[in-house]
Amino acid sequence: DGGITQSPKYLFRKEGQNVTLSCEQNLNHDAMYWYRQDPGQGLRLIYYSQIVNDFQKGDIAEGYSVSREKKESFPLTVTSAQKNPTAFYLCASSMVAANEQFFGPGTRLTVL
Amino acid sequence: AQSVTQLGSHVSVSEGALVLLRCNYSSSVPPYLFWYVQYPNQGLQLLLKYTSAATLVKGINGFEAEFKKSETSFHLTKPSAHMRDAAEYFCAVSDRAGGTSYGKLTFGQGTILTVHP
Repeated sequence: DGGITQSPKYLFRKEGQNVTLSCEQNLNHDAMYWYRQDPGQGLRLIYYSQIVNDFQKGDIAEGYSVSREKKESFPLTVTSAQKNPTAFYLCASSMVAANEQFFGPGTRLTVL
Repeated sequence: AQSVTQLGSHVSVSEGALVLLRCNYSSSVPPYLFWYVQYPNQGLQLLLKYTSAATLVKGINGFEAEFKKSETSFHLTKPSAHMRDAAEYFCAVSDRAGGTSYGKLTFGQGTILTVHP
C-alpha cells in the first residue's frame, strides 16, 4: 500500500530537549511538507521541500529544522528554541504542480 | 496573498438533515480549492477538489461543493447527515501551480461538525 507514515504517534519531551519526528512516503512524490495544528487555528506550514537537498521555510519555521537527504524522507526536528512545541504535527506530500496533498496520520508532541 | 474563511467553528445537525459548511476564499489568481476531513487524532483526508473544470464538484461520502466565483465561495454540502460524518472539516485554497512551480495550500480554521441522533 502506498502512503505516508509518521512516527512516533505520541511523543513526550522535556523542556530543553531536541526531538525528531519521522515522516516517510512511498508515493514517489517530489514535494513534502510539515504542518503544525493547534485547536481552532487550522494548519500552519512549518517547512516544505520540492526536491531532495532543498527546502524552504514556511510561515512558522522558527525553532524547527528539517533535512531532505532522500526523496522518501523528510524528518522534522523540534529544537529547544521552540517556545511552545506542544501540538499535533502533520506531514504531507504531493506531486509538484499537482496541489493535492496527501497527509500522514500525525504525531502528537507534548512537552512535560 | 490568499486566505480562507470558514464561517462557523461549530455546526450541529440532526441525523438525516442537510449539512452546509461555509467557506469563502481570497486569491489573486484563479484558485484551486479543496475540502478535507479530519477524524480525531488522525491525518487529513481529501473529500473533494475544484481545479477549474465543473463548478459543481462531487466528492466522497456523498459530499459535494459548488464553486461560485462571483461570491468567492466554495461551500460544502451533503443532503442527509450520518453519524459517521461527525468530524472536523477544513477548506483550503491554493494558487495554481504550473510546470514545476509550487502551489502553497492555505487552510481555514476548521469547522467541527456534530451530528445528533
